[in-house]
Amino acid sequence: DQQVKQNSPSLSVQEGRISILNCDYTNSMFDYFLWYKKYPAEGPTFLISISSIKDKNEDGRFTVFLNKSAKHLSLHIVPSQPGDSAVYFCAASGGDNNNDMRFGAGTRLTVKP
Amino acid sequence: NAGVTQTPKFQVLKTGQSMTLQCAQDMNHNSMYWYRQDPGMGLRLIYYSASEGTTDKGEVPNGYNVSRLNKREFSLRLESAAPSQTSVYFCASSVGLSEKLFFGSGTQLSVL
Repeated sequence: DQQVKQNSPSLSVQEGRISILNCDYTNSMFDYFLWYKKYPAEGPTFLISISSIKDKNEDGRFTVFLNKSAKHLSLHIVPSQPGDSAVYFCAASGGDNNNDMRFGAGTRLTVKP
Repeated sequence: NAGVTQTPKFQVLKTGQSMTLQCAQDMNHNSMYWYRQDPGMGLRLIYYSASEGTTDKGEVPNGYNVSRLNKREFSLRLESAAPSQTSVYFCASSVGLSEKLFFGSGTQLSVL
């Protein structure tokens, strides 16, 4: 039962362009959404989050958009840099079981110089 | 400031062997978690501890046990390892339940 889905296993963009990573969820009770970034042989690190009372949150080059009616969120990286190449996980929590943060399968982003 | 420290980094077991994965955090966090990462599955919660003295099952607890030894330490035990437990295991901590997680660097476990 995958309540958080990242349907694109990989994404490749050119340095300087925009990267858009997408995430869909099925549980309408989720009220807190996060993006984590993971480099090889390291643990995931927190990148940015958004609560369900907002539809946008921005932190430097990173912006997360939330569309509650579509149960969809996206992460925009502008401009993309080679150091952004990593696996990005979408996560969500809240609802019936507030103790279980659900993760998507991840999207591998490659930023080409 | 080490954050979340996991040991060992790599482990190979034979089916039926037991082992304990150790985790410690130095951020004075209340909640700690064990996740496993499998290809195409993302991270799935095995067990968590909301606070010192409490532990609860997550999404995939079968075959595992945990101990919250004190506020800093949270261990994961495999009593009788099975090939299906081959995975990368991550320990994480947070100030409170389901808040921003801080992860360790992971343990690559292979069960033959």
